[in-house]
Amino acid sequence: AQSVSQHNHHVILSEAASLELGCNYSYGGTVNLFWYVQYPGQHLQLLLKYFSGDPLVKGIKGFEAEFIKSKFSFNLRKPSVQWSDTAEYFCAVKGNQAGTALIFGKGTTLSVSS
Amino acid sequence: NAGVMQNPRHLVRRRGQEARLRCSPMKGHSHVYWYRQLPEEGLKFMVYLQKENIIDESGMPKERFSAEFPKEGPSILRIQQVVRGDSAAYFCASSPPDPTEAFFGQGTRLTVV
Repeated sequence: AQSVSQHNHHVILSEAASLELGCNYSYGGTVNLFWYVQYPGQHLQLLLKYFSGDPLVKGIKGFEAEFIKSKFSFNLRKPSVQWSDTAEYFCAVKGNQAGTALIFGKGTTLSVSS
Repeated sequence: NAGVMQNPRHLVRRRGQEARLRCSPMKGHSHVYWYRQLPEEGLKFMVYLQKENIIDESGMPKERFSAEFPKEGPSILRIQQVVRGDSAAYFCASSPPDPTEAFFGQGTRLTVV
C-alpha cells in the first residue's frame, strides 16, 4: 500500500521568503503525484500534478514541484511567498494501477507574515 | 458543470443517532473518495468507490461506518450510533475513471453532542 510523509508540520515564513515543503512517498510501482492546497475555511484545490514526462512541474500561483524518482520525493517550491499563500498544503500519491486510492500526507500548515 | 456537491454542510447529531452524508460527484465522474479530516491529522482516506462497487475500503472503521455509490443518485457515507470521536470534517472527492486529479467538495462538518 502507498503512504505519504510530509516532513514539516508547520512552517512560518515572512513575505518574499522562499518556500520548500518536503514530501516523500512509498509505493512499489509507477505513481501519480499531486499537491493540493486548502485555504482557511475552504475545500481542497489542486496546485499541480505529475503523471509522466518532465519531472519539474509548474502549477498555479507560481508553485512548482520536482519529482526525484531515486529519492521517492516530490517537494513543493515557491521562490517568493505572499501573505495570501497562508494555507494548508497536502501532498498526495496515487498508484498508476487501476483500483489504487488517492492517499494524502498529514499536511503542512504554512503561515506567511506580512 | 457543477462541482462536487456535499450536503449537508453542517450536521449535528446526538450520541447514538445516525449520520448520513451525501456526495454528488461532478458530471461524468464515476469514482468517489471519502476522507475524514481532523486537526493535526490531515486527510485520512476512508473509502474509494465506483458506481455500485467498493474498490478500496481499507480506511473505513470496521464497525458503524458504511458507504455506497448507487447507479443513480449520490454517494452516501453512513455512520450509525455516532460517538463524540466521530466529530470531524468529512470530504468527498470525485474523478473520472482515467488517472487524473480528484476534485473536492466543500465538506460536511459533523458535530456529535
